[in-house]
Amino acid sequence: KNQVEQSPQSLIILEGKNCTLQCNYTVSPFSNLRWYKQDTGRGPVSLTIMTFSENTKSNGRYTATLDADTKQSSLHITASQLSDSASYICVVSPKGTASKLTFGTGTRLQVTL
Amino acid sequence: DAGITQSPRHKVTETGTPVTLRCHQTENHRYMYWYRQDPGHGLRLIHYSYGVKDTDKGEVSDGYSVSRSKTEDFLLTLESATSSQTSVYFCAISDGWPGGDYGYTFGSGTRLTVV
Repeated sequence: KNQVEQSPQSLIILEGKNCTLQCNYTVSPFSNLRWYKQDTGRGPVSLTIMTFSENTKSNGRYTATLDADTKQSSLHITASQLSDSASYICVVSPKGTASKLTFGTGTRLQVTL
Repeated sequence: DAGITQSPRHKVTETGTPVTLRCHQTENHRYMYWYRQDPGHGLRLIHYSYGVKDTDKGEVSDGYSVSRSKTEDFLLTLESATSSQTSVYFCAISDGWPGGDYGYTFGSGTRLTVV
């Protein structure tokens, strides 16, 4: 069964600090890997999307990396802000199964003063 | 969320009653999806549509039906609501199949409580 596992489940950091969120997946072969940010009470919003041939993608202070050999991805947040408090969800699209995205359960990040 | 609207945002209903959730898009995207989000689970696909009157089941489709009579509207119906269907429901749209590098946009969600 295709799975996407994220760690840690939750994280608390001080404003201005950096953090890294992890995503391990068993989906293979896969077409692309996405990271989403979900604020409380809102829908997920896309941060990055990487194909299997890419190993890094940035969106402002967010940088996603991908190691297709080890089936791992990470999302690095630089100089965190209070507005970064949210859940971050890793999503993998299996190759050939167009609508069957596999979602991780997310990492809940809290940025505090 | 720009281009995609879900209604209602919140609903409380009684067990055994039918419930319809609506998703409306202004992006003219071909693909529309219904997901549910529950604690401890990733988003799970209920049904999806790849065009007007073209729909298919997702991984958790039991107890749900959908209809798409116009490009812009995708309706999710709980035929006889049960407490296990208490959840947050998200609609999503895509301008191409998710296996490609296409955008995949979510609505703001509908929080449904079945009592």
